[in-house]
Amino acid sequence: ETGVTQSPTHLIKTRGQQVTLRCSSQSGHNTVSWYQQALGQGPQFIFQYYREEENGRGNFPPRFSGLQFPNYSSELNVNALELDDSALYLCASSSWGSGNTIYFGEGSWLTVV
Amino acid sequence: AQSVTQPDIHITVSEGASLELRCNYSYGATPYLFWYVQSPGQGLQLLLKYFSGDTLVQGIKGFEAEFKRSQSSFNLRKPSVHWSDAAEYFCAVGAPYNNNDMRFGAGTRLTVKP
Repeated sequence: ETGVTQSPTHLIKTRGQQVTLRCSSQSGHNTVSWYQQALGQGPQFIFQYYREEENGRGNFPPRFSGLQFPNYSSELNVNALELDDSALYLCASSSWGSGNTIYFGEGSWLTVV
Repeated sequence: AQSVTQPDIHITVSEGASLELRCNYSYGATPYLFWYVQSPGQGLQLLLKYFSGDTLVQGIKGFEAEFKRSQSSFNLRKPSVHWSDAAEYFCAVGAPYNNNDMRFGAGTRLTVKP
């Protein structure tokens, strides 16, 4: 039990649609990152939010966007869904800085058809 | 930029045998290194981490890893594998300013034979 909760756990969308995934961070954590894990691959860093501002981004197009709220919960939004967006999306929360433990949620499985 | 290579895609060992999973990293400064395990359909569980100090790191479930700067490696070991260890294992390197920005390897799938 990591204290990081993601919703929904599974969902199916049609190509071209938009999706919002949600993450509730562990209490006291001010940093959240999102990762995409395609089948058979390692997680890929999408972006990171610290105190409601995007603070670091991986190699993902602008149709991947996010929000972090004052209570440090977070959303990942993906517009104009493509088939290749089908993946497990993982949320990770921590306190800002090095040496801190990072906690992952169980993930949201997105299937684009 | 930091990166991680896990040379072995799939490893099979017999229950009770020893295990070593390889990880090589690329990073210019002192790396922050992690090993995670993922069971099918599950999220990531942290096995152990290295930030500084003793290069032999002990983790959960009887795992350990050794940081070797000269070889840019952070290999995971376990002296005696249990059937429940069958899973996917990921090595990761974290950014120095904030470890929540991590780069993962492609993973090594471990199969345990009875």
